[in-house]
Amino acid sequence: GENVEQHPSTLSVQEGDSAVIKCTYSDSASNYFPWYKQELGKRPQLIIDIRSNVGEKKDQRIAVTLNKTAKHFSLHITETQPEDSAVYFCAALTEGSNYKLTFGKGTLLTVNP
Amino acid sequence: EAGVTQFPSHSVIEKGQTVTLRCDPISGHDNLYWYRRVMGKEIKFLLHFVKESKQDESGMPNNRFLAERTGGTYSTLKVQPAELEDSGVYFCASSPTTGMAYGYTFGSGTRLTVV
Repeated sequence: GENVEQHPSTLSVQEGDSAVIKCTYSDSASNYFPWYKQELGKRPQLIIDIRSNVGEKKDQRIAVTLNKTAKHFSLHITETQPEDSAVYFCAALTEGSNYKLTFGKGTLLTVNP
Repeated sequence: EAGVTQFPSHSVIEKGQTVTLRCDPISGHDNLYWYRRVMGKEIKFLLHFVKESKQDESGMPNNRFLAERTGGTYSTLKVQPAELEDSGVYFCASSPTTGMAYGYTFGSGTRLTVV
């Protein structure tokens, strides 16, 4: 089955700096890679996703890159703000033949004012 | 549109007791999933319903866990008898189309503490 590794487990940055979280996956059949943000006590919320036919996707201060050959994908947050503080999860899924998300262990991001 | 709703938000029970968690998916979503996050670890898949049928229950830890989705609407997850290692956050998610990620939405979870 799929295995997703996520690093780092904790990340502390100063407001305005960039943050990068990296994930690797094992199953080459995986073709959909979402990123979730979970604030304390709230539901995991999809913030950006990427499919395997695309190498990079950007949405304002958030971007995701995917390297299919190396089986890794990364989340980049620029100009971080205190409200970006949360736990971020990467995940992988095989659309068309699967339905269950395989998650990484999560990264606790703290943005210090 | 209402999101995925879970009850209760928190539950503290003693070892050996029974607890039932409830999930109300988004109306019209045939697919309902249960996941669990044990502290410090990844969110892990437990099972998947398509309407009232269990499509995949490969992630269920053992036979102390029973999930139902009568009528294909809301779902319950019962833990009986609860053990200390069952503590964690139980998430429910729903989606409209089997096999596709579009519309995959999570609830806020139920934090279960077994003491």
